[in-house]
Amino acid sequence: SQQGEEDPQALSIQEGENATMNCSYKTSINNLQWYRQNSGRGLVHLILIRSNEREKHSGRLRVTLDTSKKSSSLLITASRAADTASYFCLCGSNYKLTFGKGTLLTVNP
Amino acid sequence: DGGITQSPKYLFRKEGQNVTLSCEQNLNHDAMYWYRQDPGQGLRLIYYSQIVNDFQKGDIAEGYSVSREKKESFPLTVTSAQKNPTAFYLCASLGERGAGANVLTFGAGSRLTVL
Repeated sequence: SQQGEEDPQALSIQEGENATMNCSYKTSINNLQWYRQNSGRGLVHLILIRSNEREKHSGRLRVTLDTSKKSSSLLITASRAADTASYFCLCGSNYKLTFGKGTLLTVNP
Repeated sequence: DGGITQSPKYLFRKEGQNVTLSCEQNLNHDAMYWYRQDPGQGLRLIYYSQIVNDFQKGDIAEGYSVSREKKESFPLTVTSAQKNPTAFYLCASLGERGAGANVLTFGAGSRLTVL
């Protein structure tokens, strides 16, 4: 199975700052997706980037993909306290979909 | 609204008992998944099913069993053979969301506590 690994494991910032988290993977992918999980809840899909794309935006989210380095980054701009959550990347290549340990983002008011 | 319903939300079990967690979806998705999450950890794949009447083991299938008799339903049984079953269980289905790409939709989870 293809599993992405998120970095850092934890990130603490002040409201209004930007948050950047990274995902690395090992084999070829069709797409890479980012999900958010609020404490005690299910995951919610945030954004998907295809293997032939380099950058994608959605609201305050910006995701980049570098297939030569097998890595992706998720940038959340102008963070809010409500962005506090765990963030996971998912590499789409087959049906066996596995997650890494995620990045726990804490946005302090 | 289409979505995934997991039940029960909270479940307490005595050691040695089997329990079944329900997962129902009305999204018409073919593939469904069960994950386990321990406190402060990521998700670990238990079982997944690409289509009705077929399922495959994930990374931590021991002590668990599933069935997929209907497209809408993918129940998970936590058996007495599972040595440490206390955890948060998440069900998901995989389906298209715009431009031909498949994404996972998750239920709200079931929290199992073994007493």
